[in-house]
Amino acid sequence: NAGVTQTPKFQVLKTGQSMTLQCAQDMNHEYMSWYRQDPGMGLRLIHYSVGAGITDQGEVPNGYNVSRSTTEDFPLRLLSAAPSQTSVYFCASKTGLQAFFGQGTRLTVV
Amino acid sequence: AQKVTQAQTEISVVEKEDVTLDCVYETRDTTYYLFWYKQPPSGELVFLIRRNSFDEQNEISGRYSWNFQKSTSSFNFTITASQVVDSAVYFCALIQGNRDDKIIFGKGTRLHILP
Repeated sequence: NAGVTQTPKFQVLKTGQSMTLQCAQDMNHEYMSWYRQDPGMGLRLIHYSVGAGITDQGEVPNGYNVSRSTTEDFPLRLLSAAPSQTSVYFCASKTGLQAFFGQGTRLTVV
Repeated sequence: AQKVTQAQTEISVVEKEDVTLDCVYETRDTTYYLFWYKQPPSGELVFLIRRNSFDEQNEISGRYSWNFQKSTSSFNFTITASQVVDSAVYFCALIQGNRDDKIIFGKGTRLHILP
């Protein structure tokens, strides 16, 4: 049982590049979400999904796209990276009131 | 709207001192759930505790204790006899019941335990 797996752990992008942060869970959880963590800002919700085929915006969705074609996977796409997207990204899955977080992806946009 | 406020951005105490981390929440729901998470320097998020809005009993787990008071909308966390290993960022969080499943986090309190 791997829990929530995020890849990559570290990434450096140039402004304007695109990339996808991967998130996979093997616990059959319906609910998955993406957060970004910035100094002094806590964890802010980017997008979330309550099941395959269903996604919704969180607090800071601009610049990010998501899709949920399977229960297991919830990738986060940056279409044109900007320095403001430099952050640590956490993926989470949840069942009831128990949340499981990935190890985080540290993204730097230069 | 729901909100979690952790007014203390950063706290430093000397080892063995007691320290309390404050958390104040806002929600319109009568059913809700409060959480504390620890983020050590290694970066992962570690679940510490969950309380529901119908259970105001204080909880103690070893050196950790939590004081939930609905009258003041607070869910404070106390570490007794702090240790250097307690140095971390601590997040308070809220889930509103009977609605969507979003976890709303506070901005966190960075705790430094000085040897």
